[in-house]
Amino acid sequence: KQEVTQIPAALSVPEGENLVLNCSFTDSAIYNLQWFRQDPGKGLTSLLLIQSSQREQTSGRLNASLDKSSGRSTLYIAASQPGDSATYLCAVRHGSGNTGKLIFGQGTTLQVKP
Amino acid sequence: GAGVSQSPSNKVTEKGKDVELRCDPISGHTALYWYRQSLGQGLEFLIYFQGNSAPDKSGLPSDRFSAERTGGSVSTLTIQRTQQEDSAVYLCASSFKAFSGNTIYFGEGSWLTVV
Repeated sequence: KQEVTQIPAALSVPEGENLVLNCSFTDSAIYNLQWFRQDPGKGLTSLLLIQSSQREQTSGRLNASLDKSSGRSTLYIAASQPGDSATYLCAVRHGSGNTGKLIFGQGTTLQVKP
Repeated sequence: GAGVSQSPSNKVTEKGKDVELRCDPISGHTALYWYRQSLGQGLEFLIYFQGNSAPDKSGLPSDRFSAERTGGSVSTLTIQRTQQEDSAVYLCASSFKAFSGNTIYFGEGSWLTVV
């Protein structure tokens, strides 16, 4: 059974710092991995999608990496801003792709202090 | 529409009543998903639809839960005889195709409170 874990559960940093959020999964046979952001009282916003054949994806100040063999992904946020404060969730889709089910981690709640 | 639309945004209902939650996916998206997020919990998969294929209902927690998708577009999640433990945010999402690497887009959720 696939399990997704995110560490740390919460993180507080001063504005301007670079930071890394971690996501690990127990079954390396994933189809893809997606990082989302959730603001309080809101739905999820997709940030980055990494296919199983890819090693990383970048969007602006965000960089997500994927190491399937070790069951890990990281989300790197450069030059953090108070507007980055939110909960970040990673989710994996199982290996063959013939499922619509995403397995989510519990999320990392980030606070960036001005 | 521009995004996934869900209604109602908030619903308070009495225990034992039935509720219907509606999801209008992004136009052209053939895959539609329902998830549940309880207070302090992660997202729990409920059901997904892909085109005309039989839906994957493996995440529905009990037979009080059911969902339909009419005409390959709008979906309704129905909870019968609601219980207090059904209180949660019900999130709908859609994508172009489930069995692919397409990005999934979420709505803002329907917040259900059972009193």
